[in-house]
Amino acid sequence: KAGVTQTPRYLIKTRGQQVTLSCSPISGHRSVSWYQQTPGQGLQFLFEYFSETQRNKGNFPGRFSGRQFSNSRSEMNVSTLELGDSALYLCASSSLAGETYEQYFGPGTRLTVT
Amino acid sequence: DQQVKQNSPSLSVQEGRISILNCDYTNSMFDYFLWYKKYPAEGPTFLISISSIKDKNEDGRFTVFLNKSAKHLSLHIVPSQPGDSAVYFCAASAWGSQGNLIFGKGTKLSVKP
Repeated sequence: KAGVTQTPRYLIKTRGQQVTLSCSPISGHRSVSWYQQTPGQGLQFLFEYFSETQRNKGNFPGRFSGRQFSNSRSEMNVSTLELGDSALYLCASSSLAGETYEQYFGPGTRLTVT
Repeated sequence: DQQVKQNSPSLSVQEGRISILNCDYTNSMFDYFLWYKKYPAEGPTFLISISSIKDKNEDGRFTVFLNKSAKHLSLHIVPSQPGDSAVYFCAASAWGSQGNLIFGKGTKLSVKP
């Protein structure tokens, strides 16, 4: 089975621009979560999508948004970029079978805002 | 307020010996606990998970123990290998919001040959 894939792997944007990141989950996984990783804050949850619906949302401003398509692929968008948005953005897909829950991460998209 | 805590920032172990990584949590609503291994600038690699209805789960060299009364879990790696050197994260989530993993700050494991 192919793992979680994310595109692009690296991005450089200017303050005020917007950016869209893409994630393809593991085949058969219907849940996709997004996280932001920074040296100071560690891994922080952005939102989770399940069957095209946002199921959970973290404590991030409305500039951060996402969506999920019928094939479970997901995108996240950040508008009006700020310098502090520079981070590694990670996507994860997950499965829950009985009492076993597993969440697998992609390689991440490194976003640099200048 | 940190809901998931890994109080040891680093751990050094000799090759072939046991590595024990610890994690404490405060939220009694957590149902799922996961361990990850991570290298810089890469996504975390899933190692093993356990649900709150169990107290032990094994997968090869990795065993996770859960003590619900103490709100404590540990990851045992036996035997430790130099390739195990990485940062290990403990994470937890509650049923209904299982996609929202709360992560600890990580423990850097160094396995010396």
